[in-house]
Amino acid sequence: AQSVTQLDSQVPVFEEAPVELRCNYSSSVSVYLFWYVQYPNQGLQLLLKYLSGSTLVKGINGFEAEFNKSQTSFHLRKPSVHISDTAEYFCAVSDREAAGNKLTFGGGTRVLVKP
Amino acid sequence: NAGVTQTPKFQVLKTGQSMTLQCAQDMNHEYMSWYRQDPGMGLRLIHYSVGAGITDQGEVPNGYNVSRSTTEDFPLRLLSAAPSQTSVYFCASSYRGVIGTYNEQFFGPGTRLTVL
Repeated sequence: AQSVTQLDSQVPVFEEAPVELRCNYSSSVSVYLFWYVQYPNQGLQLLLKYLSGSTLVKGINGFEAEFNKSQTSFHLRKPSVHISDTAEYFCAVSDREAAGNKLTFGGGTRVLVKP
Repeated sequence: NAGVTQTPKFQVLKTGQSMTLQCAQDMNHEYMSWYRQDPGMGLRLIHYSVGAGITDQGEVPNGYNVSRSTTEDFPLRLLSAAPSQTSVYFCASSYRGVIGTYNEQFFGPGTRLTVL
């Protein structure tokens, strides 16, 4: 079984400032790691994923995340946010060996970008 | 491709009523899943399917039934709606991959359900 904890439920940030969203996970098996974004009244869109290889992963819209195996973390960063980054962000994991591509999500972090 | 479609977009039910949330995909994906989204809890897996005729329970299956008679469709049935089932429901689909690979899940736009 897996669990995902997003340490901040809300993150207010000024436009053009950097932002970091924290994610820690717990799992008894090897997992894949993901960040999804949900814009208001929309479905989920994949921002980036870590499957293997380099622990620094770059995604869409200038986001990147770093996998830290020893700390079981997968924090998301963006060096300079825009108003359009206002959304809810979800960290998720998936068991590498299980069929179905099932995802376990964190509780989400709401990012509000202020002008 | 229409991708993953869900109907209806909004629904209001009374306690005890039954209904079916529809989900369809036109990408010939083997895997399909249903999640519910509640504030502060992220998305939780209700049921999933790894192919036509094969379904299994997720984290929160009580009160819901599914079936998968075709590759394209994966309806979610609420047998007797309860206020605790007020939520936003998302359907997702993806290709089956070999062990050690992962194929992106595509999410539908969601169905917002209110049970009074």
